[in-house]
Amino acid sequence: DTGVSQNPRHKITKRGQNVTFRCDPISEHNRLYWYRQTLGQGPEFLTYFQNEAQLEKSRLLSDRFSAERPKGSFSTLEIQRTEQGDSAMYLCASSFWTGGGLADTQYFGPGTRLTVL
Amino acid sequence: LAKTTQPISMDSYEGQEVNITCSHNNIATNDYITWYQQFPSQGPRFIIQGYKTKVTNEVASLFIPADRKSSTLSLPRVSLSDTAVYYCLVGDFALRDNNDMRFGAGTRLTVKP
Repeated sequence: DTGVSQNPRHKITKRGQNVTFRCDPISEHNRLYWYRQTLGQGPEFLTYFQNEAQLEKSRLLSDRFSAERPKGSFSTLEIQRTEQGDSAMYLCASSFWTGGGLADTQYFGPGTRLTVL
Repeated sequence: LAKTTQPISMDSYEGQEVNITCSHNNIATNDYITWYQQFPSQGPRFIIQGYKTKVTNEVASLFIPADRKSSTLSLPRVSLSDTAVYYCLVGDFALRDNNDMRFGAGTRLTVKP
């Protein structure tokens, strides 16, 4: 399977603990996005990378959230001091951005469902 | 990113054509329109993307009028497996400002036998 993969698929943690999720994008995709999705809502943008550079973060993103993409391949999303409100599905997407005014088509992974007790 | 409005839910029967319309009155010149499908506990799946007029692929058609203030996703002859949430997303992904990127609540399509 050459699609976007995410690990773990499910994570249950206690409030105050740190958690880290991993995303492996489609090979050779240069853009990688993180989204959060709560029940009944569409995905909400968190941040994105072009290669290893983090180009943008949501203005609403708490400083407890941090993401890395050290070699321009896989990415990790860490949430420190988790809160119950962090419970959600965390989605990763990747795309091959060529520039030149063309649209960016994102391919999503299956997500990591986080439950904070 | 242009705000989008879609019906919350739609019902259809197997074999029928389904049209889901999305309103995006504030669409910008450089914005594209993309539709995604999402099944429970899965990530969204790309369906189709367009800028103007009509786009067709093996699974759907996308109709965009001249003013581009709305778009219609057309699913021919739906089956039970097309039951899902459909999201309309409008934006210029070439720019760096993705802070307003929100999929909205989507349209929950239920296909009945």
